[in-house]
Amino acid sequence: EPEVTQTPSHQVTQMGQEVILRCVPISNHLYFYWYRQILGQKVEFLVSFYNNEISEKSEIFDDQFSVERPDGSNFTLKIRSTKLEDSAMYFCASSDGGEVEAFFGQGTRLTVV
Amino acid sequence: LAKTTQPISMDSYEGQEVNITCSHNNIATNDYITWYQQFPSQGPRFIIQGYKTKVTNEVASLFIPADRKSSTLSLPRVSLSDTAVYYCLVGDRDDKIIFGKGTRLHILP
Repeated sequence: EPEVTQTPSHQVTQMGQEVILRCVPISNHLYFYWYRQILGQKVEFLVSFYNNEISEKSEIFDDQFSVERPDGSNFTLKIRSTKLEDSAMYFCASSDGGEVEAFFGQGTRLTVV
Repeated sequence: LAKTTQPISMDSYEGQEVNITCSHNNIATNDYITWYQQFPSQGPRFIIQGYKTKVTNEVASLFIPADRKSSTLSLPRVSLSDTAVYYCLVGDRDDKIIFGKGTRLHILP
């Protein structure tokens, strides 16, 4: 079964550092998403990406965040200057058409110290 | 996006059928009803989607009454491994996926 893969599974970074979270979506999918989940809280939408541009973003996705699809397979989330409150699980997801069925990766646990 | 309301938590026993109901009074004509499951420390996983009446797959059934203002996810003969958070989502197929707080289902031996 095809799957979304995320690397690394766990990243620890110092406050103020830049981090890049990587995702390989399912190969024929067209829609890509990033979500985050702070421990014990709900899954929060960050951004959706389609046709090589951001299609929608939430209030959380401020200037410190950016996404990129540098080649035909990877989809990355960059946080420019991490804050303690950025500590969370970050999930990448992809789908072949809107909300039909999105496939989520296993997540990257980001810990900012 | 239609607002959804579902129980915060439910307990059941192994071997029982579990029904989780979701209310979505403001569902729009183009909206679909989708359920996701999330195990601890894992990403959400699509379970089932429907528009009206009944949908069944190898994991669950989804019952949607004629007015579509609610839906019920039915899990047959649950096991301990079905302990998870279950999310009900309502939206157009072009909408982004927005999760609520979900229903925390705890299966007891």
